[in-house]
Amino acid sequence: EAGVAQSPRYKIIEKRQSVAFWCNPISGHATLYWYQQILGQGPKLLIQFQNNGVVDDSQLPKDRFSAERLKGVDSTLKIQPAKLEDSAVYLCASTRYRDNTEAFFGQGTRLTVV
Amino acid sequence: AQTVTQSQPEMSVQEAETVTLSCTYDTSENNYYLFWYKQPPSRQMILVIRQEAYKQQNATENRFSVNFQKAAKSFSLKISDSQLGDTAMYFCAFEIGNQFYFGTGTSLTVIP
Repeated sequence: EAGVAQSPRYKIIEKRQSVAFWCNPISGHATLYWYQQILGQGPKLLIQFQNNGVVDDSQLPKDRFSAERLKGVDSTLKIQPAKLEDSAVYLCASTRYRDNTEAFFGQGTRLTVV
Repeated sequence: AQTVTQSQPEMSVQEAETVTLSCTYDTSENNYYLFWYKQPPSRQMILVIRQEAYKQQNATENRFSVNFQKAAKSFSLKISDSQLGDTAMYFCAFEIGNQFYFGTGTSLTVIP
């Protein structure tokens, strides 16, 4: 089966600009996650979708970050306006079943804010 | 609160030798899954091995095995016959109710 697809792989923007990332999970995977991974740290959950509904967005900085998964398939994560501290790798992951299953990850998007 | 602790930020091992990466976690739940993920420089997280908390038998996957001590909330990864391709960041994680909790990772370098 095809893996989790993410684009772009790299993005460099100036602070205060906006940026969007795209993720297409594995076909049939109901749950989709966006993680932020700052260099040298583990992934931090930003938002979790179950189909097109939000399960957890408690750590999403909602004043600047937004995410949607309108048709319950692919998803976009947007940052507007970006700050220097948003420089990180943004990982998308998906899982097949509701509970107790591994997460499959995409290759991530490395964002550099200058 | 659910937490995962990896106390070894960096480790190195000679090629063909054995290395053990440590992980402890904290949760009040009884049913969960534990994972070790590998993240090479390409950035894609790849599942190495997983363990169901209700199983006493330690999981094994070729050269990779775990030592799961549920009472101690410990979940270490042993890599036998280390290969150059094992060089990567390794993350310990556990999953409860489809939510994942990750440690801060251990950077492993396999030395030729």
